[in-house]
Formats: sequence, structure tokens, C-alpha cells
Amino acid sequence: QSALTQPASVSGSPGQSIAISCTGTSSDVGGYDYVSWYQQHPGKAPKLMIHAVSNRPSGVSDRFSGSKSGNTASLTISGLQVEDEADYYCSSKRSSTSLVFGGGTKLTVL
Amino acid sequence: QVQLVQSGSELKKPGASVKISCMASGYAFTGYGMNWVRQAPGQGLEWMGWINPKTGSPTYAQGFTRRFVFSLDTSVSTTYLQISSLKAEDTAMYYCARDGLGNAFDIWGQGTMVTVSS
Repeated sequence: QSALTQPASVSGSPGQSIAISCTGTSSDVGGYDYVSWYQQHPGKAPKLMIHAVSNRPSGVSDRFSGSKSGNTASLTISGLQVEDEADYYCSSKRSSTSLVFGGGTKLTVL
Repeated sequence: QVQLVQSGSELKKPGASVKISCMASGYAFTGYGMNWVRQAPGQGLEWMGWINPKTGSPTYAQGFTRRFVFSLDTSVSTTYLQISSLKAEDTAMYYCARDGLGNAFDIWGQGTMVTVSS
């Protein structure tokens, strides 16, 4: 099954804002409000940052926000911090019994 | 606290089988679906499927329907992933992850590295 499309890399300076896109189709991103975002630091398990398009789990900084328009979802990180440097993955429900991840985006904080 | 603890790293020869465990604690085991996610070295996350802990019914993603088996033992709050006829391309980190928020994985195991090499 084909993955959702994310940019391979994005970068920003401390204090800036960046956005990571996640493009799918009407069968996944566009068809369900079940888009999630995960942060993964090297050698660590992924951590849920956003669920249901724009909801933050308890304990996640409000510098992280999510949105969706059509078949494209976005994760925005404001006030970039050095510790935000990590890989980010989106995921979406795809059909009633399936889920798909994006290819991942490496965020570099310069 | 709520956590998933996975079994340790495995080194297997091609053609062998492996069974990985994922023990849940701190929450009602049968209340949440358990998913499995594969991550090959240097690669992204790949959803393998999930198992319903109430019914024991598994759902497998495309590409994981032949050599992969999900099972569970509710008496010890543990989910298992068995992979048979191992190939070099099965070398990866395997994660279990709880679906706590509706198609969103809020709790992850620490991962189990499986290396397949002759």
C-alpha cells in the first residue's frame, strides 16, 4: 500500500515556525478526520503529538498544531526549539480496517 | 503507569521463526486495540495491522498476510507477533502500539530489534 506523501526534510531556526505537509487521497486523509502526527527522536519509539487532525494529547506542547484541507494535512510547529529536531510521521485511517503512515520528514533546527 | 514492555532483541537465521511479546500494564488490556508497526533500518514507519484484544480477531495490512501472525494471552495482558520463514528483509525494529484515541497510537513499546542474518 502506498504511503502518504511528506517532504523528506524541512529546516528552521530557533524561534521560527515551520509546517510539514502530508498529502493523501480522498480514500484516506481527505475521507476521514483521523490524521495523527508522531515525533521520533533517533533510537527512540515514536511519540503521538496530534490526533484527530488537530487534537493534542495531554502533555504535548501547544507549540504543536494540526490542520487539514482537502487531501492534505499539516503539522505546524511554532517557536522552534532545538529539541524539536526529530523525524515526524503522519498517519491516516484508510478504509474501515486500514491505516497508513507517511514516508516521514526530517526536521533540522539550524 | 501505563506502559508496553516488549521482549528483547533477536538474531535469527533465514528460514527460522521468531515470536515477539508485548506486555501491557497500567490499563484495561481488553479495552484498546493493539497495533504492530515495522521500521526497517533508516526507513519510515509501516503499519502491519492490529488485533482486537476482546475478540482475538487480527487484521493484517497488505504485505503482512502470509508469514505474520498476531495473537494474545489476556491472562497475562500480552500480545504476540510471530514471523515465520524469516528473510533478510524482515530485519527491522518492531513496535507494538496501543490505539487509545481512535486510529491514534498513544502508547508505544520500546521496540524489539529483529536481525535476520546467516
